[in-house]
Amino acid sequence: QSALTQPASVSGSPGQSITISCTGANSDVGNYKFVSWYQLHPGKAPKLIIYDVTERPSGVSNRFSGSTSGNTASLTISGLQAADEADYYCCSYVGSSTWVFGGGTKLTVL
Amino acid sequence: QVQLQESGPGLVKPSQTLSLTCTVSSGSISGSTYYWSWVRQPAGKGLEWIGLIHASGSTNYAPSLKTRATLSLDTSQNQFSLKLRSVTAADTALYYCARLSFGLKTFDVWGQGTMVTVSS
Repeated sequence: QSALTQPASVSGSPGQSITISCTGANSDVGNYKFVSWYQLHPGKAPKLIIYDVTERPSGVSNRFSGSTSGNTASLTISGLQAADEADYYCCSYVGSSTWVFGGGTKLTVL
Repeated sequence: QVQLQESGPGLVKPSQTLSLTCTVSSGSISGSTYYWSWVRQPAGKGLEWIGLIHASGSTNYAPSLKTRATLSLDTSQNQFSLKLRSVTAADTALYYCARLSFGLKTFDVWGQGTMVTVSS
C-alpha cells in the first residue's frame, strides 16, 4: 500500500484560507469514507482535527474543514492564525484493518 | 482525559530488537471500544502505521512490517508494547503510540512520541 500524496509545503498569510490535498487511489480514499487529518507540532502529541472526511472532534475550531472528490481528500483551514503553523497529515483506512498515511504537509503562516 | 506515554531505549544496535512500551492513564486498555496502535515517523519522512492490538488479543500489522513486529498487552499495568526485530538504520524514527477508535477508523488520542535511533 503506497503512502497518500500530499504537497510538501503550503503557505498563507494570517486571515487567509489554504487547502491541503491528499491524493490516494480507488483502494483507499476513493473507496472508504474514513479519511482523517492530524496536526503535528514539534514536541507535542499529534492532534486529530478531522475524521470521517468531514467531521470535527469536539473542541476543534470550525476553521478546519474536510472534503473529498474522487480519490482526493482535502483539508481547508480558513482565517489562518500563527498557531496553525504545523505539519498536517492525512490518513485513510484501506480495508483489512490497515491504514495508510500521507507524506505530510508543512504549513507556514507568513 | 486519557493520556498515552511512550517509553523505551533511545538507542538500539543494528540487528537487535527494538522494544517500546506505551502507558495509558485515565482510561483502561481492557475495554472493547478501542484498539491500541503504534505509528512511526522516520526523520524527514511521513507517518507510517505499524500495527494494532485489542484487549481481546487480536492484532494486525502493516504488510511491510508484519514479519518483524509484535504487539502485546499488559492489562495489569495498563500498557501495551511494540517489539521490532532485526532493526536497521531504516528503523530510526520517532515512534508514537495511539488509541484507535475502530468504529470511526480514527486515531483519536496520541502520545508525544519517543525517538529511537538504530546505530552501533
